[in-house]
Amino acid sequence: EVQLVESGGGLVKPGGSARLSCQASGFELTAFTMNWVRQVPGRGLEWLSSITASSSFIKYSDSVKGRFTISRDNAQNSLFLQMNSLRPEDTAVYYCARDFELTYGVFDYWGPGTLVTVSS
Amino acid sequence: DIVMTQSPDSLGVSRGERATINCKSSQSVFYSSNNKSYVAWYQQKRGQSPKLLVYWASTRQSGVPDRFSGSGSGADYTLTISSLQAEDVAVYYCQQYYSSPFTFGPGTRVDIK
Repeated sequence: EVQLVESGGGLVKPGGSARLSCQASGFELTAFTMNWVRQVPGRGLEWLSSITASSSFIKYSDSVKGRFTISRDNAQNSLFLQMNSLRPEDTAVYYCARDFELTYGVFDYWGPGTLVTVSS
Repeated sequence: DIVMTQSPDSLGVSRGERATINCKSSQSVFYSSNNKSYVAWYQQKRGQSPKLLVYWASTRQSGVPDRFSGSGSGADYTLTISSLQAEDVAVYYCQQYYSSPFTFGPGTRVDIK
């Protein structure tokens, strides 16, 4: 069974940093592009970043480019999101999501999410 | 960036009746070279993460009941639930994957009337 489980969320002060992790199981992580998507509580979905299987191709949304860094460790079946210079508007539930194998940019499995709250 | 809009914001439908959700992209998300529309639909129930329902605008994901169907082309797309069931109460999002950044519509809440 495919499972994605995020961790690393919590309360962070504005300007601070946090590192999110996503542990994958039930499939070969090495075969899939992975993504981070966030959702402000009660609001819509925002794609943040994607990383291809070999980490050779990485993309970011403009809202996080230069502040967030996506990475992966296939040997550990893990995906990461390093978040720096956090702002109150970064408060959201952060999901890791697997790219559907038949196309790029469709997300067929999602983790339950981890809440990041940026507040003083 | 491609902006996705949805209508209505919410709708109440009686059990067994049809629910129709509309989605419009700010530019065409149809790629003529492969004749495919780069639109997906997701369902998010309260307290859960999103679930993929449809991709390529009209291809149901494995395991999705056939009462869910997607259609459309160009910049206009529709998700139809042919016979609403209690378990279909959720927020539905359209998404384009024609170009990065991948963008979602604001969501449509579907409730039982």
